[in-house]
Amino acid sequence: GAVVSQHPSWVICKSGTSVKIECRSLDFQATTMFWYRQFPKQSLMLMATSNEGSKATYEQGVEKDKFLINHASLTLSTLTVTSAHPEDSSFYICSATIGGKRLNEQFFGPGTRLTVL
Amino acid sequence: GQNIDQPTEMTATEGAIVQINCTYQTSGFNGLFWYQQHAGEAPTFLSYNVLDGLEEKGRFSSFLSRSKGYSYLLLKELQMKDSASYLCAVRVNRDDKIIFGKGTRLHILP
Repeated sequence: GAVVSQHPSWVICKSGTSVKIECRSLDFQATTMFWYRQFPKQSLMLMATSNEGSKATYEQGVEKDKFLINHASLTLSTLTVTSAHPEDSSFYICSATIGGKRLNEQFFGPGTRLTVL
Repeated sequence: GQNIDQPTEMTATEGAIVQINCTYQTSGFNGLFWYQQHAGEAPTFLSYNVLDGLEEKGRFSSFLSRSKGYSYLLLKELQMKDSASYLCAVRVNRDDKIIFGKGTRLHILP
């Protein structure tokens, strides 16, 4: 149990276009999901915390108008990179907390590699 | 600010033991995590410590000293598949937000 999926696993787009990344908890309900960005050989940088039915909480320095997060249900959160530029090329990873006896674990999706040309 | 320090790289030999240290200075503390991450993949959960002491889980053990802001991950009987990055992470608040260190790339030599 506790499987998180992401779609797509990789995407290549032209500069100026928008890209949507989906994060789904497949076998549990996740009231909280997190979005991270990871550049090569660097650690995960938390971008935002997403709560179902409410606005996402963004970390300092993350543009909320550029990285739109929607958490419409207990099993789905989406990250939309608007007007993507080459510097947005990165590995985007979501995670979800399961609660209950496994409250202390975060389960990560497989990640989405975004390349902006 | 939040600061989590761990060595950038380490090398060890197959079958040996290695200890990866992590020190942290954060505005709050509500648990410390260790994750393993293979290149190009998402992190996988290894351990969680919130109280001082040692938590053992198979070949992996994790230790925490809250007064010293210090933790280590101990890997025994190293296998080639243990070659990966190991991420130390701290949950700062009760709202579940986790801050990650930069990770330690562990190289295992045959």
